[in-house]
Amino acid sequence: DAGVTQSPTHLIKTRGQHVTLRCSPISGHKSVSWYQQVLGQGPQFIFQYYEKEERGRGNFPDRFSARQFPNYSSELNVNALLLGDSALYLCASRGGWTVYEQYFGPGTRLTVT
Amino acid sequence: AQTVTQSQPEMSVQEAETVTLSCTYDTSENNYYLFWYKQPPSRQMILVIRQEAYKQQNATENRFSVNFQKAAKSFSLKISDSQLGDTAMYFCAFILNTGNQFYFGTGTSLTVIP
Repeated sequence: DAGVTQSPTHLIKTRGQHVTLRCSPISGHKSVSWYQQVLGQGPQFIFQYYEKEERGRGNFPDRFSARQFPNYSSELNVNALLLGDSALYLCASRGGWTVYEQYFGPGTRLTVT
Repeated sequence: AQTVTQSQPEMSVQEAETVTLSCTYDTSENNYYLFWYKQPPSRQMILVIRQEAYKQQNATENRFSVNFQKAAKSFSLKISDSQLGDTAMYFCAFILNTGNQFYFGTGTSLTVIP
């Protein structure tokens, strides 16, 4: 079975631009979470979506938004990019109610110049 | 507030030797799961070992074992017979039983020296 997939692998954007990152969960998984990992730090929780509804949000500004589609894939959108948004964005997929059964994708490396 | 502290930013170990990575955490909740994740340069976050907080017995997974001290809120990782492939960043993390997010530490960069 395919694992969690994320696209693109990496991209470079300019300050003020908008970016969309994509995540496809493991087949059959209905929950997707997004994390931001700044260089030298541990991942920080941004959002969790389950059955297309937002179920949790971390301490991130409104410039960050996300959505989940009927096929359970997800998009993370970031508006008005800042230099500080440069990070690895990780997506995690979860199958059921067991909170610990989460699998991470390979991440998208975003560089804002 | 939930926090995780990894006080060793970098560590090194000789191949075949044993190394212990430290982690302390803070939560007022009683039911949670603790994890060690490995992140090699490929960036993929790989689960190393998991511990249920309600279990007193320390988890083991082949060469990896933990020392879980719930009262002290300590969760260290021991790697035995270190291999070159163990070189990576190691993150300690936990998730509440009723929660929806992982809380991660800042990581320990482990280098295995041949």
